[in-house]
Amino acid sequence: ETGVTQSPTHLIKTRGQQVTLRCSSQSGHNTVSWYQQALGQGPQFIFQYYREEENGRGNFPPRFSGLQFPNYSSELNVNALELDDSALYLCASSNPGLGTEAFFGQGTRLTVV
Amino acid sequence: AQKITQTQPGMFVQEKEAVTLDCTYDTSDPSYGLFWYKQPSSGEMIFLIYQGSYDQQNATEGRYSLNFQKARKSANLVISASQLGDSAMYFCAMSPLRNYQLIWGAGTKLIIKP
Repeated sequence: ETGVTQSPTHLIKTRGQQVTLRCSSQSGHNTVSWYQQALGQGPQFIFQYYREEENGRGNFPPRFSGLQFPNYSSELNVNALELDDSALYLCASSNPGLGTEAFFGQGTRLTVV
Repeated sequence: AQKITQTQPGMFVQEKEAVTLDCTYDTSDPSYGLFWYKQPSSGEMIFLIYQGSYDQQNATEGRYSLNFQKARKSANLVISASQLGDSAMYFCAMSPLRNYQLIWGAGTKLIIKP
């Protein structure tokens, strides 16, 4: 079991609403990456935070935003939810200076109705 | 652009047999890392094995080994002596070296038969 915790594990939102997903990183890790995994597909990279700054972004619109806090935990915010935002959201923590492995949380399953 | 291709949507394998999961990749980066992850039905991504583009030897981790053929741009996962608990989705992924911004394949669903 990794030290990466995501909350909540499941939630249901209505189209047009806003949602915040949370991720605590593993001790000693300073980098958090977020991924969206639609049902039956591989994950897609949303963005990455390194030492509280955005450090790379995938092909996602600006209504997907994030934060990283001084303790390296992170939030993913999605505004104006659309039905296609229904997916499993995964966060991964890593420290590129320490090793090659990124540790994942158990994911948050978001359903937009 | 970077791309990962997994051509096997699903595989059935008899318990205790070895299995090879295919992965090919495309990148223009000279330095990159290749990863394999296992995703059980619970959803969590479990790291299995890593291969750096400059590593001379194929990576091994217990029953997992990575057959890295750089010229062919392939990074196949080999699982020896398969077990029922190996049944899961398996994803191949790639990132520029050490930035962990992973590009993923579509995955292979592996089912181990008793």
